[in-house]
Amino acid sequence: AQKITQTQPGMFVQEKEAVTLDCTYDTSDPSYGLFWYKQPSSGEMIFLIYQGSYDQQNATEGRYSLNFQKARKSANLVISASQLGDSAMYFCAMRDGLGDDKIIFGKGTRLHILP
Amino acid sequence: EPEVTQTPSHQVTQMGQEVILRCVPISNHLYFYWYRQILGQKVEFLVSFYNNEISEKSEIFDDQFSVERPDGSNFTLKIRSTKLEDSAMYFCASSDLEQYFGPGTRLTVT
Repeated sequence: AQKITQTQPGMFVQEKEAVTLDCTYDTSDPSYGLFWYKQPSSGEMIFLIYQGSYDQQNATEGRYSLNFQKARKSANLVISASQLGDSAMYFCAMRDGLGDDKIIFGKGTRLHILP
Repeated sequence: EPEVTQTPSHQVTQMGQEVILRCVPISNHLYFYWYRQILGQKVEFLVSFYNNEISEKSEIFDDQFSVERPDGSNFTLKIRSTKLEDSAMYFCASSDLEQYFGPGTRLTVT
């Protein structure tokens, strides 16, 4: 069965520092996709980044990068040069298969950026 | 940039009433989903929809729930007789590999 684990319920980081949000996953399917979403206090779910299990390089999107360590089943999100607007809940999620199956979510990490 | 839209943003209803939550997925996407998030909890899958039929549903998606694509653009979630525990944020999503979520409808059942 699929499983996503986010072990950090909350984090406090100084503005402009880099931050790493941890995520480990478990699946028996060799083909899968990994996602990170940001949920600000307004409630919407904002797609940040996607990594497919066969992608050779780590995904990057602007200040976001996904540190994909397949052997360790780890998919940490790295935010460089954090900003006050990065304060939000962050969810790691995965999908079995590389098609369009449902996503399962972790419990999330609440990130607080300090001025 | 194309986006998923949802209406209404907030709905308050009385227990036992029917509600219809509406979504407009991204136009060239073929797979659609509904998820819900009870306040303070993680996001849970409800149902996926492809080619005008349900492709998968969770245990939560019982006979009180139904989905429909009434025309070429809308995708709806109907809850037939709402219960207090249906109070949650309901997200619609659509996918072409990357899954994009709408802004959500906050449903409050009183």
